[in-house]
Amino acid sequence: DTGVSQDPRHKITKRGQNVTFRCDPISEHNRLYWYRQTLGQGPEFLTYFQNEAQLEKSRLLSDRFSAERPKGSFSTLEIQRTEQGDSAMYLCASSLAWGQHNEQFFGPGTRLTVL
Amino acid sequence: GENVEQHPSTLSVQEGDSAVIKCTYSDSASNYFPWYKQELGKGPQLIIDIRSNVGEKKDQRIAVTLNKTAKHFSLHITETQPEDSAVYFCAASIRSGGYQKVTFGTGTKLQVIP
Repeated sequence: DTGVSQDPRHKITKRGQNVTFRCDPISEHNRLYWYRQTLGQGPEFLTYFQNEAQLEKSRLLSDRFSAERPKGSFSTLEIQRTEQGDSAMYLCASSLAWGQHNEQFFGPGTRLTVL
Repeated sequence: GENVEQHPSTLSVQEGDSAVIKCTYSDSASNYFPWYKQELGKGPQLIIDIRSNVGEKKDQRIAVTLNKTAKHFSLHITETQPEDSAVYFCAASIRSGGYQKVTFGTGTKLQVIP
């Protein structure tokens, strides 16, 4: 399977703990995006990388959130001191940099439950 | 920023009937409108898209229309089948810096009754 993969698929944690999610984009895609999706809502943009550079961050990305893409391939999203409001599906997407509209391909997501 | 509204939130149709989902957007600079299908436990999957210089696009049983003046766009599914049951999201995309920033609607849960 050459699509976007995410790990883990599910994560249950206690409030106050730190969690880290991983995303592996489609291999030739140099753009990578993180979204958050809560129940009954569409995905909301969190942040975007082109290669290893983080070029945009949403106001939704509080200082407890940090994302990296150290070698321009896989990316990690870390949430420190988790809160119950962080419970959501975290989606990763990737796209090519060229092309007029840069179709984004989504992974299956990581569902986070904070108890 | 861009705001995308989507209606209805739920839609039930009999197998073989048509389904229509409508969206509006707020930013006239939006130039690309993808539609995604999300099945349970999976990420959204692009099913069709339309660019701002096109009024209509069709792909087999799926069609999208765009009215730039009214800032409306719609998804039409004909001859619905049970496997069309899923949540559908419209989105509006605008060029922001070097990439297309995508704003999603709130989704429509489509149920096709056999």
